[in-house]
Amino acid sequence: QVQLQESGPGLVKPSQTLSLTCTVSGGSISSGSYYWSWIRQPAGKGLEWIGRIYTSGSTNYNPSLKSRVTISVDTSKNQFSLKLSSVTAADTAVYYCARGREDYYGSGSYGGYYFDYWGQGTLVTVSS
Amino acid sequence: QSVLTQPPSVSAAPGQKVTISCSGSSSNIGNNYVSWYQQLPGTAPKLLIYDNNKRPSGIPDRFSGSKSGTSATLGITGLQTGDEADYYCGTWDSSLSAAAGVFGGGTKLTVL
Repeated sequence: QVQLQESGPGLVKPSQTLSLTCTVSGGSISSGSYYWSWIRQPAGKGLEWIGRIYTSGSTNYNPSLKSRVTISVDTSKNQFSLKLSSVTAADTAVYYCARGREDYYGSGSYGGYYFDYWGQGTLVTVSS
Repeated sequence: QSVLTQPPSVSAAPGQKVTISCSGSSSNIGNNYVSWYQQLPGTAPKLLIYDNNKRPSGIPDRFSGSKSGTSATLGITGLQTGDEADYYCGTWDSSLSAAAGVFGGGTKLTVL
């Protein structure tokens, strides 16, 4: 059973960089074809996709956050990480890591991008 | 403002059926598969439906999904009080300049 666990500071000062790590257990982060993803949720609001890193190392980011986001992977520790720079109060949210995937149905046909495993989430507050 | 549009709330009585809509455009729902997630209070989202209408192992057949054009629908039959939660649709948006994962704003289900 795959499990994901977020970790990192719960409080970040404005203008600083938010750094979170997601530790994956129950499977190797470098095996299979998965999109290791970050999603956030401000209190009382909906889900916002932040970005993803594919098993190969390629990344995609939310255009609204792209200039401030970096997602990386450390296969030796079975972890992937999120860095969000120049944070403001608007970045205060619960941050989730999740395993994304697209199933291959053969003959070049793929299914959709969805998230089958999620971490429990970690609250990050941006405040001085 | 979310890329995908969902009703803020729906309600129904125990045992009844409810549907939750998710509206998008040709760059997202119109050309990509839709997934649905259930978020119980204080917990992480949980996958309910993927590839428009497939259920992961362990999800009861009371939950169903469908897609037509640029809209998708989640159906829940035999409502139970334990189904009270927020429900989110999600997909990929293939816009040339802004390809990204996108979600609906969420729908709060109340089982009266």
